[in-house]
Amino acid sequence: QVTLKESGPVLVKPTETLTLTCTVSGFSLSNARMGVSWIRQPPGKALEWLAHIFSNDEKSYSTSLKSRLTISKDTSKSQVVLTMTNMDPVDTATYYCARFQVGAKWVDPWGQGTLVTVSS
Amino acid sequence: QSVLTQPPSVSGAPGQRVTISCTGSSSNIGAGYDVHWYQQLPGTAPKLLIYGNSNRPSGVPDRFSGSKSGTSASLAITGLQAEDEADYYCQSYDSSLSVLFGGGTKLTVL
Repeated sequence: QVTLKESGPVLVKPTETLTLTCTVSGFSLSNARMGVSWIRQPPGKALEWLAHIFSNDEKSYSTSLKSRLTISKDTSKSQVVLTMTNMDPVDTATYYCARFQVGAKWVDPWGQGTLVTVSS
Repeated sequence: QSVLTQPPSVSGAPGQRVTISCTGSSSNIGAGYDVHWYQQLPGTAPKLLIYGNSNRPSGVPDRFSGSKSGTSASLAITGLQAEDEADYYCQSYDSSLSVLFGGGTKLTVL
């Protein structure tokens, strides 16, 4: 059974850096057919893709957020880490990680998500 | 503003058929990238509903179907049920290696 679980702070202050960890099970981060994506959803709003990383360490970022994002992975720990710098209240959202199917480019399954609030 | 355009809301009575459109462009759907659909029930993470334009994962009822033509795609739901009330998102890809989501459509079962 494939599962993903997000972990990280529930509250960050404006200008701080957010670090989120996605721990996966049921598949390997060295599997060439799979990657891991980060996606966020502000309260009551739409999904927004942030970044993904593949088994060969190739990375891709949202054009609008590229300067603030870094994605990395530790295959031995089955973890993918996303950092986002200079957090702002508009970054308040539920952050999801999900498995990305490299060939057909769909995202499934998703983690349960973690709500991050940005406030002083 | 999402690159993939969906109607903000649709509604239908139980038993009826509804469709949700997803309009892209020549750099994403029109470039040949597949469209996938997700269902997000209130308070839960999205779930893959349709993949590869028209395929249903195991466990998804055949009341749900998808299609794609040109730069657009559609999700159809027949025999509408109360449990179908949710947000629905389309997703595709573009040549800049970005995953794209639609703005989401809220389905209300009257």
